[in-house]
Amino acid sequence: EPEVTQTPSHQVTQMGQEVILRCVPISNHLYFYWYRQILGQKVEFLVSFYNNEISEKSEIFDDQFSVERPDGSNFTLKIRSTKLEDSAMYFCASPASGGTDTQYFGPGTRLTVL
Amino acid sequence: AQTVTQSQPEMSVQEAETVTLSCTYDTSESDYYLFWYKQPPSRQMILVIRQEAYKQQNATENRFSVNFQKAAKSFSLKISDSQLGDAAMYFCAYRTPSSFRDDKIIFGKGTRLHILP
Repeated sequence: EPEVTQTPSHQVTQMGQEVILRCVPISNHLYFYWYRQILGQKVEFLVSFYNNEISEKSEIFDDQFSVERPDGSNFTLKIRSTKLEDSAMYFCASPASGGTDTQYFGPGTRLTVL
Repeated sequence: AQTVTQSQPEMSVQEAETVTLSCTYDTSESDYYLFWYKQPPSRQMILVIRQEAYKQQNATENRFSVNFQKAAKSFSLKISDSQLGDAAMYFCAYRTPSSFRDDKIIFGKGTRLHILP
């Protein structure tokens, strides 16, 4: 299975602090996606990003969230002022090289907001 | 809007036996993709199998196979010769064909599978 990497694996932060989650999708792909999974619940779509632009975002993805591509291979999800309810697993996903049909997920970042 | 329903929150199966996990979905699209993802305790999302809606033939991957009934909008996963390592949460998922917009994956709530030794 193609590899998507994410850092950090676990982030603990205080409420109100900013966090940045990082993802390296499958190489040279223009698409990537962020999803969130609150403990014990289903995986929910946050945002999709194509060719340096947001292509779609969910209602969860409010003004506290932003995505960027700081360089050619890295993508970030920033939460400006974290809330307790932001505690969740955050996954980035990327299609495999040469196609867009199947999204492969990174190992996730577990965010804990205290 | 598309929805994915998994009606079995938990299931158990004896090791080496066969188990079938159910999934139904709702869409007005004629072309789409369906997936089963496995989430072990590590919480990583691992692709198990995928099915293109335009293909009548059911997908298979080693011990994993699907029963895709397009008219009934049903997409069940069969695991043969269950192994202890199959214990995980299984998510059924749907997406439309890739396009600039609306190609997100929609997940069901999951079925937790227990393997009994």
